[in-house]
Parts: sequence; C-alpha cells; structure tokens
Amino acid sequence: DAKTTQPNSMESNEEEPVHLPCNHSTISGTDYIHWYRQLPSQGPEYVIHGLTSNVNNRMASLAIAEDRKSSTLILHRATLRDAAVYYCIDAGGTSYGKLTFGQGTILTVHP
Amino acid sequence: GAGVSQSPSNKVTEKGKDVELRCDPISGHTALYWYRQRLGQGLEFLIYFQGNSAPDKSGLPSDRFSAERTGESVSTLTIQRTQQEDSAVYLCASTRGGGRRYNEQFFGPGTRLTVL
Repeated sequence: DAKTTQPNSMESNEEEPVHLPCNHSTISGTDYIHWYRQLPSQGPEYVIHGLTSNVNNRMASLAIAEDRKSSTLILHRATLRDAAVYYCIDAGGTSYGKLTFGQGTILTVHP
Repeated sequence: GAGVSQSPSNKVTEKGKDVELRCDPISGHTALYWYRQRLGQGLEFLIYFQGNSAPDKSGLPSDRFSAERTGESVSTLTIQRTQQEDSAVYLCASTRGGGRRYNEQFFGPGTRLTVL
C-alpha cells in the first residue's frame, strides 16, 4: 500500500493558522490525497481531498506540491475544536477508495 | 439526516466467545467499509462491500473474522472465538454511489470491543 509520512505531533495557538505537512513520495499520478481527522472517542471525519490543484472548502485548504510528492493541510484559524489527530492518506492501490491510515499528526491547540 | 450508526457502542466479552457487531450505513450509500483501530494506532482496513459485487476481504486478519451485508443496507461483522488481541474499536464507513478513490467516507462512532 502507498505510504505517507507525517510529523507525530504539532502545536498551535487558538486563532492562528496551522500548516500540517505530509510527504507521499510514492504517490502515483491517479491517486487522490485525502485528509481526515479524528476527535477523541469519535470516528474519523472527512476534511478535504485533492488530486493536483489546490483545494479549498469550509473546513480547510489543501496545498499540493507541483510534483505531488507532498501536500499541506491548512487550517486558517485554529480553534480548540480543531484539536484532533489528522490523517493524510494516499487513496491509491484500489479503484474503490480503500483508505490506508498511518499514525497521523496529533494537533494540540492552546487557548 | 441520520449518519452511520453502529451497535453496540461497547462490548465486553470473554476470550473464546463469538461477537457480532452491527453497522447501519447512511440510506442510499451503496459502498460500505469496515476498519479496526487498536489503541493509539491508525485504522486498519478489514473489508469492503459494494452492492451485489463480491466483497474485498483482503484486510480480514484471520478466518475467525467474517462479515455480511444484506443488499445495500445493514452489515454485520462477526468475530468467532475472540482473542485478547481482537480488543479494538471497530469502525464502519459508507459512501454515496459506488466506492471511488475520490469519495468522502462517512464514519460511524465505532464499537469498542474488549476481550477479557
């Protein structure tokens, strides 16, 4: 399965932007990059996904490097509710969207 | 609208017993996935269902694990002769339309299984 690499943990202050990096150097040309987050004691929640172009939605922005070997999830103004484990996923390997979750990045948001 | 629901929310069982976990996907979602999450770990894929197609069982860890799905509705994950290493949170997800690499998966809250 395709692999991604993320820092184990990051910290931010409330109302500041957060940039969560992800390396996916083995990604193939047709693999989508997905981001999910998991709040304590809950199932994962979809955040955003992209293929080549940068993407924005109400939750976050996704900046994808031109060579697609890395991407960055951007939370424009962190809130305490954004404290979670963030998973970057290379949705490759199958045609049907099997997600292979790594360890993720634990984001701590300080008031 | 209603999200993915799972039952029970918690299950404690004795080693060697069989357990059955249930998942109700979002109405109209044809693709359904089961994942397992051990304490402090990421999710492991277990099985994928899409309509009446043969499921992808490649993630099931042993023949003690099996899953069924009735059409495009409820799915049950059965673990026979449970072992302590089966202790984990079991998560179910569904997607609208068929499973695709770009589809958003909607997850249920999970069933926490503890094998004593």
